[in-house]
Amino acid sequence: GAGVSQSPRYKVAKRGQDVALRCDPISGHVSLFWYQQALGQGPEFLTYFQNEAQLDKSGLPSDRFFAERPEGSVSTLKIQRTQQEDSAVYLCASSTSTVRGTDTQYFGPGTRLTVL
Amino acid sequence: SQQGEEDPQALSIQEGENATMNCSYKTSINNLQWYRQNSGRGLVHLILIRSNEREKHSGRLRVTLDTSKKSSSLLITASRAADTASYFCATNHGGGAQKLVFGQGTRLTINP
Repeated sequence: GAGVSQSPRYKVAKRGQDVALRCDPISGHVSLFWYQQALGQGPEFLTYFQNEAQLDKSGLPSDRFFAERPEGSVSTLKIQRTQQEDSAVYLCASSTSTVRGTDTQYFGPGTRLTVL
Repeated sequence: SQQGEEDPQALSIQEGENATMNCSYKTSINNLQWYRQNSGRGLVHLILIRSNEREKHSGRLRVTLDTSKKSSSLLITASRAADTASYFCATNHGGGAQKLVFGQGTRLTINP
C-alpha cells in the first residue's frame, strides 16, 4: 500500500516568503507528526495531531510556524516570513494508534526547504 | 533540543563484519526505537524495544536495552554494502507525549 507522501520534495524560498508543505499520511492513520531535520542532525519534533486535533505543538520554534489537519487526514505545515535558519528537511510521520507512544511512526521522504 | 547521544558518530567497516552502534538517553523511557536513513531518503523503522524488554532480534539486527544505564545498542551482523546509511535511536518518554526524541545518529559506511 501507499506510504506517507509529502509535497513538494524540494522548495526554494526567498527570505520573507511564506511556504506551505503538505503531508498525506497512510490512510486510516490517526496520529500525524511533523519533525524538522537540520543537516547532519537527527529529526526534532515540531507538532502532533490526533485526527484533526493538534494535541502537542511544543516543538514549533516560533509563531511563524503553523500546522493544521482540518479533516483529520492531510496536514499542512505553513511557515510565514521564512528565515535562513528555517532551511531544513521537514519530515511527516503517521501512526495507527492513539495508545501513547507504542506504535511505529512511518515517515515520508521529507520536504527539503532552502531559504535564500 | 535532542536528548539522545549516539556513539560513534561515524563508523566504517568491511563488508561481512559486524557493526555496533550505541545510544544513551537521559530520562526514563516508554520505548526506544531504531531507524535507518539512506542519503536523501526518509526514515525507515527498524525495531522497537519497550522499557520492560532487554533484547530483541529482527533478522540480522539485534537490539539491547539497559534501563539502569539508560543505554541501548544496535548490532548489525554480517554487514552488507546496502547497510550503508545513518542510524538513529529515538526514545518515547511516555507521560502523554507521543513524540519521539532522536539522537544525532551514527553514519555507517560498509566498504566492499
